[in-house]
Amino acid sequence: DGGITQSPKYLFRKEGQNVTLSCEQNLNHDAMYWYRQDPGQGLRLIYYSQIVNDFQKGDIAEGYSVSREKKESFPLTVTSAQKNPTAFYLCASSTGTGGSQPQHFGDGTRLSIL
Amino acid sequence: RKEVEQDPGPFNVPEGATVAFNCTYSNSASQSFFWYRQDCRKEPKLLMSVYSSGNEDGRFTAQLNRASQYISLLIRDSKLSDSATYLCVVGGNNRKLIWGLGTSLAVNP
Repeated sequence: DGGITQSPKYLFRKEGQNVTLSCEQNLNHDAMYWYRQDPGQGLRLIYYSQIVNDFQKGDIAEGYSVSREKKESFPLTVTSAQKNPTAFYLCASSTGTGGSQPQHFGDGTRLSIL
Repeated sequence: RKEVEQDPGPFNVPEGATVAFNCTYSNSASQSFFWYRQDCRKEPKLLMSVYSSGNEDGRFTAQLNRASQYISLLIRDSKLSDSATYLCVVGGNNRKLIWGLGTSLAVNP
């Protein structure tokens, strides 16, 4: 079955630690996205990538980094510079460029601070 | 004004009721429109795209009013399983989707 796989489902970060969230898709989609969702709030875009080896900052990129070395993979690193990392992180993908196509989501990673 | 605005609800309706949600958007150049549903602590899932002529999928009907810059979602014969948060999403020519905060629906037995 085609889909988007995020791992791990739950992640705990210690102070000063960088952690990496995995996102893999086998939908052959060109575009991939990372969002953050806080309780009672909407989705906020962290980073997005429309093609391999290229990515752009979203609305809240500070404290995060990404890479897009393969079409299928778009890992997100939450760095120690992100002071409030506790949130639900969602990875999505879409065909073509994002503004006109619907996005499809993985089932998310919940990140908490120890 | 927010780029995409929704009434947060909650809407509490009995099973079998018809319920409608509206969503307004601020960018008149917006070109694509979607409704997603999100269950508690789960990822958003695409419910339906919204086309200019309006479209229907079973009990769900979506409509677009470009002149007034709003989209609507109508759910007929509500089921308990329709209880969720419904997200209005608008896309423009800036290659990003803008997400509303969602409308919460609770269908009661």
